Amino acid sequence: SQQGEEDPQALSIQEGENATMNCSYKTSINNLQWYRQNSGRGLVHLILIRSNEREKHSGRLRVTLDTSKKSSSLLITASRAADTASYFCATDGGGSRLTFGEGTQLTVNP
Amino acid sequence: EAQVTQNPRYLITVTGKKLTVTCSQNMNHEYMSWYRQDPGLGLRQIYYSMNVEVTDKGDVPEGYKVSRKEKRNFPLILESPSPNQTSLYFCASTKRDRGTSPLHFGNGTRLTVT
Repeated sequence: SQQGEEDPQALSIQEGENATMNCSYKTSINNLQWYRQNSGRGLVHLILIRSNEREKHSGRLRVTLDTSKKSSSLLITASRAADTASYFCATDGGGSRLTFGEGTQLTVNP
Repeated sequence: EAQVTQNPRYLITVTGKKLTVTCSQNMNHEYMSWYRQDPGLGLRQIYYSMNVEVTDKGDVPEGYKVSRKEKRNFPLILESPSPNQTSLYFCASTKRDRGTSPLHFGNGTRLTVT
């Protein structure tokens, strides 16, 4: 079953605006990861946040994690057309599996 | 360059004709995994391997086989492909400490079974 569920399914913004994507999950996790996928290509790891962390930054990316609400958000600031891609959260609940959500399709219009 | 290499990139075949999709990584990773990606269903894990000669089923293993005879290779075998296996397939790998190590993905294999 899918652990992470992203929201919204699709997001369209203008260049320079911020983009926020959310991820909800059902069971406890050890960490949560965000990945990016350009159309038809392999996923690329963006950032990992551990269950004992609340916020993490990497360049224009900011990830928050609220384990009490079982949710995470990915914020991309000052978006660019090149940020157009699908974004996936993946949860690691221990064991041997990393479970992916269905992704948010982000379109950044020039 | 550190990478996961899948071949072929595109494959069109007919029902019942056995095929193999190869996956190789040059990062000395212990963990390797196969996923399929379908519209509306996201990525679903087919099989994974924690190390050489150790494989286990993921969420959707039916109709697939894998082997891990060498650390760097993890081929996906479809003994008798069917149209419902038409999908985009990804191989991925990471270190043994998978919980804190990101997955490295190949560029995908788009399979069409007619």
